[in-house]
Amino acid sequence: ETGVTQSPTHLIKTRGQQVTLRCSSQSGHNTVSWYQQALGQGPQFIFQYYREEENGRGNFPPRFSGLQFPNYSSELNVNALELDDSALYLCASSRGGTGYYNEQFFGPGTRLTVL
Amino acid sequence: QQPVQSPQAVILREGEDAVINCSSSKALYSVHWYRQKHGEAPVFLMILLKGGEQKGHDKISASFNEKKQQSSLYLTASQLSYSGTYFCGTEWAGASGTYKYIFGTGTRLKVLA
Repeated sequence: ETGVTQSPTHLIKTRGQQVTLRCSSQSGHNTVSWYQQALGQGPQFIFQYYREEENGRGNFPPRFSGLQFPNYSSELNVNALELDDSALYLCASSRGGTGYYNEQFFGPGTRLTVL
Repeated sequence: QQPVQSPQAVILREGEDAVINCSSSKALYSVHWYRQKHGEAPVFLMILLKGGEQKGHDKISASFNEKKQQSSLYLTASQLSYSGTYFCGTEWAGASGTYKYIFGTGTRLKVLA
């Protein structure tokens, strides 16, 4: 069983640029959630995708957008990067959509630095 | 408001016990617990689905009091490998009924030899 993978591992961008982060979900999982984790803080929920549809969203502006593909892999896109976007971006996959069974398995994360 | 965890930090000697609490201002229907080691992703520990449910995994167990909107994580006979930051997490409905996932404030635990 392949675990959750993310690419790239590290990324450095400048303010105003755009970035795309990628996540491959664990085999058999159809739900992907994205989180932002600033240094020393807990993960903050960005959004969740279930069967290619956005299923829920946290308090992030529209310049954070995403996609889920038929194979359940996912992308996180961030436009007009700001310095405060510097963080570890985590994706987590799980079986099912909204509900009480979301045992989430996290990928290793992408460290984004915005200069 | 995210669930509040207590204590914020705790230092233990190997073999000692610890309790981490998670309290919510909103109704909890499920609680998840995670451990995150420095520089790594969170690792799922367990899920509690209904009030009064208790679960265990090795020497780590948890309880869920739905009425009090609280959950507690119990670490028995702690090992060095237990060091890390522990988060509770839960699913909430946003203002328009949309799904949100919320992590608690976190508890940093360090086990010393």
